[in-house]
Amino acid sequence: QKEVEQDPGPLSVPEGAIVSLNCTYSNSAFQYFMWYRQYSRKGPELLMYTYSSGNKEDGRFTAQVDKSSKYISLFIRDSQPSDSATYLCAMGEDSNYQLIWGAGTKLIIKP
Amino acid sequence: EAGVTQFPSHSVIEKGQTVTLRCDPISGHDNLYWYRRVMGKEIKFLLHFVKESKQDESGMPNNRFLAERTGGTYSTLKVQPAELEDSGVYFCASSLLGAATNEKLFFGSGTQLSVL
Repeated sequence: QKEVEQDPGPLSVPEGAIVSLNCTYSNSAFQYFMWYRQYSRKGPELLMYTYSSGNKEDGRFTAQVDKSSKYISLFIRDSQPSDSATYLCAMGEDSNYQLIWGAGTKLIIKP
Repeated sequence: EAGVTQFPSHSVIEKGQTVTLRCDPISGHDNLYWYRRVMGKEIKFLLHFVKESKQDESGMPNNRFLAERTGGTYSTLKVQPAELEDSGVYFCASSLLGAATNEKLFFGSGTQLSVL
């Protein structure tokens, strides 16, 4: 079983829709949770990070962590075609800088 | 400010040949990381430099891979001899401060390596 599970998609939604992206994990020691966005032929770019449980909001993006369920989510409101990219979740333990990554979900926002 | 630069962007080589990938981190970033993504798989950690020293190379697949960071500036990752399973995208990332996992990593665009 993989440490981090993420549906590879593709997920295709119309412009303006609310997008929900998710990852599940098995390691209860994970404390840091991150979402990266990767455009084609580019490197990953950090979007959101959260420590432990809870929600974090930044503009149209909201990250949620539910440690009891070992489940994290990224919500995108008012989705735009420019949001089309691959979204990767990554997580790690305290005092261990090695990030464990999900496989990435390809998101397509249709105009 | 220049970002993390990787060269080449693409490399196609035959099995058994040698390839050297280069990474120029953001100026002043002491921490440099190499990651790899094999097609359809997750990004995997390879190793971490702090300045010129290897802090952790536990992710290196085998002794065909050699990473160096001369003078704590740019880094090279050499694969010798290359095998088919080495194909993938090799990413370099750098960061300014310590190795806390919540610190922002700046990634390069990657080198797409194809071993035929």
